[in-house]
Amino acid sequence: NAGVTQTPKFRILKIGQSMTLQCAQDMNHNYMYWYRQDPGMGLKLIYYSVGAGITDKGEVPNGYNVSRSTTEDFPLRLELAAPSQTSVYFCASSYTLLGDLYGYTFGSGTRLTVV
Amino acid sequence: EDKVVQSPLSLVVHEGDTVTLNCSYEVTNFRSLLWYKQEKKAPTFLFMLTSSGIEKKSGRLSSILDKKELFSILNITATQTGDSAIYLCAYRDDKIIFGKGTRLHILP
Repeated sequence: NAGVTQTPKFRILKIGQSMTLQCAQDMNHNYMYWYRQDPGMGLKLIYYSVGAGITDKGEVPNGYNVSRSTTEDFPLRLELAAPSQTSVYFCASSYTLLGDLYGYTFGSGTRLTVV
Repeated sequence: EDKVVQSPLSLVVHEGDTVTLNCSYEVTNFRSLLWYKQEKKAPTFLFMLTSSGIEKKSGRLSSILDKKELFSILNITATQTGDSAIYLCAYRDDKIIFGKGTRLHILP
């Protein structure tokens, strides 16, 4: 009963490095999301996906890329890390039923520091 | 057992009315109380509340937290049809726990 699994839990990157934050869910949820939470702020939506092969931008997509080749996985890619991307990243999933979204489940987060 | 309880579950009002949405929660290791607006896609952030009694405002929306009584309210004044959405309350301790939401429908 894993739910939403994020890896790694912590990471320190140097400016200009690249990395991929992994997210996997085992609940067969069709919707998946990436949020970031900066200190003292709420979660801001980076990208989301309504199903395999479909992704869309959220509120703060610049500097990130995503892919959704399977229902289970939704990795978030940072190509050229910048200090402004220092944040805690949350992956989440949910499912649709009769047009509504249910079952929001969040991962435990990835704390990323860019130095 | 739900840790975040929102009420009402649904609400229909006319444009121009004022609405108050409620959120009560259980405490384990309270960090913050969050309000989100969800339309057709993912929830988008409205407010984060960490201190009791301090109102946060954004245009016609405002919210306040009562940490003693463990609840928060979200007010929307002079409602417009564009306010129609599901409003989600979430409580953060070691995880982020969402309530079921209040479905708000504004009639023109």
